[in-house]
Amino acid sequence: EPEVTQTPSHQVTQMGQEVILRCVPISNHLYFYWYRQILGQKVEFLVSFYNNEISEKSEIFDDQFSVERPDGSNFTLKIRSTKLEDSAMYFCASEGPPTDTQYFGPGTRLTVL
Amino acid sequence: QKEVEQNSGPLSVPEGAIASLNCTYSDRGSQSFFWYRQYSGKSPELIMSIYSNGDKEDGRFTAQLNKASQYVSLLIRDSQPSDSATYLCAVFNNAGNMLTFGGGTRLMVKP
Repeated sequence: EPEVTQTPSHQVTQMGQEVILRCVPISNHLYFYWYRQILGQKVEFLVSFYNNEISEKSEIFDDQFSVERPDGSNFTLKIRSTKLEDSAMYFCASEGPPTDTQYFGPGTRLTVL
Repeated sequence: QKEVEQNSGPLSVPEGAIASLNCTYSDRGSQSFFWYRQYSGKSPELIMSIYSNGDKEDGRFTAQLNKASQYVSLLIRDSQPSDSATYLCAVFNNAGNMLTFGGGTRLMVKP
C-alpha cells in the first residue's frame, strides 16, 4: 500500500541553523501539508500546498519557514534560522483521489539545542 | 478561531467493553470529519472519516456525526489492549484547506 515517507526520522540542530525536512508524498496525490506537534500538545497545521503554490498557511508559518516541491516527488519544509521553540515532531501529509483524506508520514523529530 | 475539543482522559475501559470517545467543534462550515489514532511517538493513523449526519460503521468502529449539535463521536466495540492509544478528532473545512485537530483522548484498555 502506498505511503508517505519522511527523512530524516530525527534531526538535531543548533539554534540559528537552517534545517530541511523532506517528504515523499503518495504518488498520485495532489495536495500536500505540513503539520507539527510539540511534545504533549495538539497537532497544529502549518501549511498546505497545491499546484506548486501555497494555498493556506497558519500564523506559525512565518518568514522563517518555506516549502518547496523541487522535483515533482519530494516536498520539503525549510526552517531558515531555527529557534528552541521549533523543537517538535513535523508531519507531512498528502491527499488525493479518490477521497479527501489526508495520510500522514511517520514524522521527523526536530530537536533544537 | 476554529476549535475542536476533546476530553483528554484517560478513558479506561476493560477489555471487551465499548469505548465511547467524543468531540465537539466550533466551525459550522466544517464539512469533513476524521478520527485518527496516535500511538506514543508515532504519527496519526486514519481510522475513519464521516461526512453526513448519522452513523458510519467499519468493523469494530462506528463514527457518529450530528452537525446541528456540532458533535462527532467514535465508538469502539469489543475493545482490545492494542486499542490503547490517543484518539484524535480532526475537522476539515474546505475554505481553510486544513485539518484542525482536537487535543486527543487517551484510551486505556485493561486486560
